[in-house]
Amino acid sequence: GESVGLHLPTLSVQEGDNSIINCAYSNSASDYFIWYKQESGKGPQFIIDIRSNMDKRQGQRVTVLLNKTVKHLSLQIAATQPGDSAVYFCADGRGNTPLVFGKGTRLSVIA
Amino acid sequence: DGGITQSPKYLFRKEGQNVTLSCEQNLNHDAMYWYRQDPGQGLRLIYYSQIVNDFQKGDIAEGYSVSREKKESFPLTVTSAQKNPTAFYLCASSRRGDEQFFGPGTRLTVL
Repeated sequence: GESVGLHLPTLSVQEGDNSIINCAYSNSASDYFIWYKQESGKGPQFIIDIRSNMDKRQGQRVTVLLNKTVKHLSLQIAATQPGDSAVYFCADGRGNTPLVFGKGTRLSVIA
Repeated sequence: DGGITQSPKYLFRKEGQNVTLSCEQNLNHDAMYWYRQDPGQGLRLIYYSQIVNDFQKGDIAEGYSVSREKKESFPLTVTSAQKNPTAFYLCASSRRGDEQFFGPGTRLTVL
């Protein structure tokens, strides 16, 4: 079946730098994409989402980019802070079907 | 406060026992979901329900059972048939086709 995958399992960035986390998807019918942040021992928290009719969406310090041509999704975090250290998951949604999650990328911020 | 709650936070089970994990939401969401997360892994779907009195198997339903008698509640039973139940269990809810909100999780350990 289709799956949502991630290019890098771990990412280390210096505090204050920008972070970019990447994700690939395989189903061209996917119409909804979400990024979640999960801190240790807690449930995932919603960060930002984007629908397939858009290619960019911005939030507070975060930007999601969607490239439908190559089926690629990225999360950009500006001015990364120690509190951003967590595991980040992308997920793929199609209509009313449940989200399919990737394995996640661990972001470590170096002070 | 509106939200999704799970109980207990930690649960210990002896081999051969069935245990039930609670999930309650007061967000008036139609859909509810159960995921399993193993260390360093992503989320795998166990069961989901899009409406009261109806539910569907996810990718790893064997050894688990659910019920959806009320819109607010979606309990998960881990049966003795589940060979390796030690994991972190996450419940989520959503409006159909929209972001999923997650509970804080239940960590189940088999003794």
